Amino acid sequence: NAGVTQTPKFQVLKTGQSMTLQCAQDMNHEYMSWYRQDPGMGLRLIHYSVGAGITDQGEVPNGYNVSRSTTEDFPLRLLSAAPSQTSVYFCASSYGWGGTDTQYFGPGTRLTVL
Amino acid sequence: SQQGEEDPQALSIQEGENATMNCSYKTSINNLQWYRQNSGRGLVHLILIRSNEREKHSGRLRVTLDTSKKSSSLLITASRAADTASYFCATNTGGFKTIFGAGTRLFVKA
Repeated sequence: NAGVTQTPKFQVLKTGQSMTLQCAQDMNHEYMSWYRQDPGMGLRLIHYSVGAGITDQGEVPNGYNVSRSTTEDFPLRLLSAAPSQTSVYFCASSYGWGGTDTQYFGPGTRLTVL
Repeated sequence: SQQGEEDPQALSIQEGENATMNCSYKTSINNLQWYRQNSGRGLVHLILIRSNEREKHSGRLRVTLDTSKKSSSLLITASRAADTASYFCATNTGGFKTIFGAGTRLFVKA
């Protein structure tokens, strides 16, 4: 199993550009999440999904969109990038409900917005 | 302020010593998890402890939970250079969301 994969590993955007961060898992997990990690602030939940076709907002959803058309994929879209979105983005999945089950994390995408 | 806050923010010890990290939280929880993050990598799950449990062990790791004090501790015994990483506590208060603390950076000197 590849586990949770994320692409790209690094990305530099200009303010106003849009892009999609890809996330895929091959563990048949129902639950998937996107987090951002900023220095000194831990991880903050952006969006999550409890199954294909079902998504919901986390703590910091503004400026991001998600969709879940398949169990395996959970892309995160930045609609119009801003410098405040410079961060490291992690995708995670879990078999059960993320609060009671182990979350498996991808390696992260380091995004810089100029 | 965050639900889970780790203490200390950074810890430097010699190989072979024990390392203790603490996590305090503000509201009642269903469970608390500890994760490790090596530099430039994703988080790796270490231990989950439920609100009705007081202590759990996994290899050289020991986690305690004191719900009356709203705190947890992670003890790593006989530390190794490979234990150098950031350690995060994550709390779940119900619902899907898990709240992560800012982490403790552990440096183990060989």
